Amino acid sequence: SQQGEEDPQALSIQEGENATMNCSYKTSINNLQWYRQNSGRGLVHLILIRSNEREKHSGRLRVTLDTSKKSSSLLITASRAADTASYFCATRGTQGAQKLVFGQGTRLTINP
Amino acid sequence: EPEVTQTPSHQVTQMGQEVILRCVPISNHLYFYWYRQILGQKVEFLVSFYNNEISEKSEIFDDQFSVERPDGSNFTLKIRSTKLEDSAMYFCASRGLAAQETQYFGPGTRLLVL
Repeated sequence: SQQGEEDPQALSIQEGENATMNCSYKTSINNLQWYRQNSGRGLVHLILIRSNEREKHSGRLRVTLDTSKKSSSLLITASRAADTASYFCATRGTQGAQKLVFGQGTRLTINP
Repeated sequence: EPEVTQTPSHQVTQMGQEVILRCVPISNHLYFYWYRQILGQKVEFLVSFYNNEISEKSEIFDDQFSVERPDGSNFTLKIRSTKLEDSAMYFCASRGLAAQETQYFGPGTRLLVL
């Protein structure tokens, strides 16, 4: 399967520190997207990185993609309490499928 | 900023009843999706819809499920005879042109089957 897996499953850090979350997947992808979900709420799109890209930035977010290792990382710099949420990676495959395959997510807690 | 909307936000139903979950995708989008998330689990793909027909569906999307775009704005998911295991958060998503890869998700409908 194309299943994505994030690690760690849970991460707790102090406000102001950087948070790094990792995602691995199994098959070739067209792109990889990161989403954020506040508890019991909807999915908010954060950033998309295509398979031919290696790094992308958006504000305090930095995403890397290593297709040889089939892995991606999401770095949130200078974390804030409001960053507390679950973060999911989702991959879109190459075989015409438009669906996104989500990982289990990382539960990030920022302590003030 | 345009967004995907879903109604209702919460629905409680009895096992065996039919439910219809409604979504209004972003207005110029062409691709529509339903996903679900059972409590504490990952988000799972159910079905994708393009050009007035299903383009892909998962094993979860059996004969009890159907989708419809009854007019130019709504996109619905119907579950004909709900089961306890259908209890989940259901998310609608939409995407623009083929070159625009980002899927935008609605806030979800929390369905509880008793």
